[in-house]
Amino acid sequence: QVQLQESGPGLVNPSGTLSLTCTVSGGSISTNNGWTWFRQPPGKGLEWIGEIYPSGTTNYNPSLKRRVTISVDKSKNQFSLKLRSVTAADTGVYYCARPTTGARFDYWGQGTLVTVSS
Amino acid sequence: QSVLTQPPSASGTPGQRVTISCSGSSSNIGTYTLNWYQQFPGTAPKLLIYSNDQRPSGVPDRFSGSKSGTSASLAISGLQSEDEAAYFCAAWDDSLNGPVFGGGTKLTVL
Repeated sequence: QVQLQESGPGLVNPSGTLSLTCTVSGGSISTNNGWTWFRQPPGKGLEWIGEIYPSGTTNYNPSLKRRVTISVDKSKNQFSLKLRSVTAADTGVYYCARPTTGARFDYWGQGTLVTVSS
Repeated sequence: QSVLTQPPSASGTPGQRVTISCSGSSSNIGTYTLNWYQQFPGTAPKLLIYSNDQRPSGVPDRFSGSKSGTSASLAISGLQSEDEAAYFCAAWDDSLNGPVFGGGTKLTVL
């Protein structure tokens, strides 16, 4: 059973960089899946941030593309998210997930709350 | 503003049948299959329905999904108190080249 676990700072300064890592267990990150990051502002719906394949190929939400980098470390079975120049609007719960196909996501991390504040 | 449109709230009494709608466009629901997620406060979304009307193992058959054109519905029959949660619809979107979600419907069991 694949499990995902997010980790990283829960508080980020405005204009700083949000950095999170998702550790995959119970399976290899080298399977041909688009390992994905989502976020959910308080009381709102889910927003797709982007995905990365084991080859390193990435797809990003155009609304965040200029600030986002997703990378993969196959040796550690992890993938990571960096979001630069953050503001209070970037506050929310961040989830990593693995799709089965399309918008079907069977595996999710527990989520981690990131607050942007000084 | 979410790409897929859901009512923000729904309610019903125990034993009742409730439906939640999800509306999209030709670039998402009109082309791709629809998925539903259930989310309890403080927890990650859980896949409830995939491919329009399929239930993952372990999901009670009280939950059913349907799709027609650019709209879809989730039906919950024999409503139970433990069904009180938020429900989100999701589909792939050609314009985004990624998945899009509804804003979520908070279901209250009265």
